[in-house]
Amino acid sequence: DGGITQSPKYLFRKEGQNVTLSCEQNLNHDAMYWYRQDPGQGLRLIYYSQIVNDFQKGDIAEGYSVSREKKESFPLTVTSAQKNPTAFYLCASSLRPLGNEKLFFGSGTQLSVL
Amino acid sequence: GESVGLHLPTLSVQEGDNSIINCAYSNSASDYFIWYKQESGKGPQFIIDIRSNMDKRQGQRVTVLLNKTVKHLSLQIAATQPGDSAVYFCAEKNTGTASKLTFGTGTRLQVTL
Repeated sequence: DGGITQSPKYLFRKEGQNVTLSCEQNLNHDAMYWYRQDPGQGLRLIYYSQIVNDFQKGDIAEGYSVSREKKESFPLTVTSAQKNPTAFYLCASSLRPLGNEKLFFGSGTQLSVL
Repeated sequence: GESVGLHLPTLSVQEGDNSIINCAYSNSASDYFIWYKQESGKGPQFIIDIRSNMDKRQGQRVTVLLNKTVKHLSLQIAATQPGDSAVYFCAEKNTGTASKLTFGTGTRLQVTL
């Protein structure tokens, strides 16, 4: 099955701890994205990557970091600098970074603070 | 329609009736629009998209209407079913930019039996 796999589904972070959320896709898509979703709100873009070894800040990048060493993988690290990390995190991909195309989403990771 | 804050606008529809979900977008330069459906605890699923050179597009049981004059988008669901219960988001993309979709806050659709 082709798709986007996010793991873990639930993650707990202690104060001062960095945690990493995994996102893998086997769709052979060039572009990948991370969105944050808070209750009752729309999705906000954290980071995106148009091609391997390249990524750009989105609208709310502070306190987060990413890497894109492989086309299939786009992990997101929530650092201790992110003071309000509790949210639902969604990874997405699209075939081409500049075209008018739909994004395919993973099933999300719920991050909570202990 | 769209709103900000913690409480999503909710549309209650009886099973078998038609549903209309509205969305006001902000950027007149946006040239591509998408509707997504999100069930609780899951990622958004693509429903239908439309480019700015079109006014209407139909899919299976769904129709999207685009009014560029007033920057308004609507999603019509025919013969609404219990499985249609979810939060629906519209998203827009600006011409020439990287594929960064800007999402609305969503509308919750509740289908009553």
